[in-house]
Amino acid sequence: GESVGLHLPTLSVQEGDNSIINCAYSNSASDYFIWYKQESGKGPQFIIDIRSNMDKRQGQRVTVLLNKTVKHLSLQIAATQPGDSAVYFCAEIEVWGQNFVFGPGTRLSVLP
Amino acid sequence: NAGVTQTPKFQVLKTGQSMTLQCAQDMNHNSMYWYRQDPGMGLRLIYYSASEGTTDKGEVPNGYNVSRLNKREFSLRLESAAPSQTSVYFCASSPGQAISYEQYFGPGTRLTVT
Repeated sequence: GESVGLHLPTLSVQEGDNSIINCAYSNSASDYFIWYKQESGKGPQFIIDIRSNMDKRQGQRVTVLLNKTVKHLSLQIAATQPGDSAVYFCAEIEVWGQNFVFGPGTRLSVLP
Repeated sequence: NAGVTQTPKFQVLKTGQSMTLQCAQDMNHNSMYWYRQDPGMGLRLIYYSASEGTTDKGEVPNGYNVSRLNKREFSLRLESAAPSQTSVYFCASSPGQAISYEQYFGPGTRLTVT
């Protein structure tokens, strides 16, 4: 399958612990922020999004936090499981300017 | 539903050769996208098509052309391949008629240009 980037920052967590993956964004006009998960050999898969007028959104085992003051986005995964091992990308989208930019990604490694 | 399919999975080209990457979706989506992914970098948008018959440049369009053949198919063409185009190429689709976060990705095509 297609491999994902080889020189990404890596976060290693113990199975069952919580994971926090961080992302800095650049465009203060972005309307949405999105987290994608990419497993080895596959295309990215949508996880969760947050609108720019929100600061927190929760999904199933995941929470996204948005801090517009410092242009920072985080993805929290509760009770991390081996199946969570993947590369996680944040993306920002500006609807009016039709701008859609992905971050470089973070590799999450879940230790048994 | 197969979702988004891409062909070929792997391709090796020599500098100057041309080829077309094929993408098809069976979800009746309006918008389709082509991205490239390079080691250590996120996906970069090459071209997108918000609806059948329309295409727009993304972040890195140089060296590529696209065709939205019909609602299902969106092809990416390299007229004269260069080593800098060695990458993994992903096609994606989304329901709406504008760039959307709700994108569904294909499995990718690994292209090597020697």
